[in-house]
Amino acid sequence: QLQLLESGPGLVKPSETLSLTCTVSGDSIDRSNYYWGWIRQPPGKGLEWIGSIFYSGDAYYNSSLNSQVTISVDTSKNQYSLKLNFVTAADTAVYYCARHSGPSLTIPFDYWGQGILVTVSS
Amino acid sequence: AIRITQSPSSLSASTGDRVTITCRASQSITTYLAWYQQQPGKAPKLLIYSASTLQSGVPSRFSGSGSGTEFTLTISRLQSEDFATYYCQQYYSYPWLDFGGGTKVEIK
Repeated sequence: QLQLLESGPGLVKPSETLSLTCTVSGDSIDRSNYYWGWIRQPPGKGLEWIGSIFYSGDAYYNSSLNSQVTISVDTSKNQYSLKLNFVTAADTAVYYCARHSGPSLTIPFDYWGQGILVTVSS
Repeated sequence: AIRITQSPSSLSASTGDRVTITCRASQSITTYLAWYQQQPGKAPKLLIYSASTLQSGVPSRFSGSGSGTEFTLTISRLQSEDFATYYCQQYYSYPWLDFGGGTKVEIK
């Protein structure tokens, strides 16, 4: 059974970098033909796609966050990571990692992690 | 960017009711639309993809329809476990894999 688990600090100071990791178990990122993504949800609000990456390292980002975000993959650890620079209070959210159900961005997310709340505050 | 408008933002219904939620896209997305259910404190769960294809394991009381710019999620007979928030998502155009604003289905 595929499982995704987010990890990282739950509190980040304004202007600093938010760093999260998604650990995948039950499948191998570099042997599977899927894109892997990050989605966030501010408290009490809707969902926002942040970006997605293929095992090869090809990454695509939400254009509204493009200058702020980097997603990378570490196939040796079966993990992929999110870095969000120069965060503000508006970046406070539950961050989810999720798998696209195939080898394309034009495919929905079928497996999700449980989510991790990251608060931006001094 | 393709804008997705979901309505209503909330609704009250009783167990056994038929419920309909609508998503409209600002331009044609053919059938590149998915529906998700989110229970409080949980991750979203994929219900329907390609506008009308039921994800494996999802009860048949859920159905989706539509193409182009207008889409509908219908729950034929609402069950207690269906009280949740529902989101649509277009995946026709990246880098804007946008979600609708959500519809909270509450108990009347």
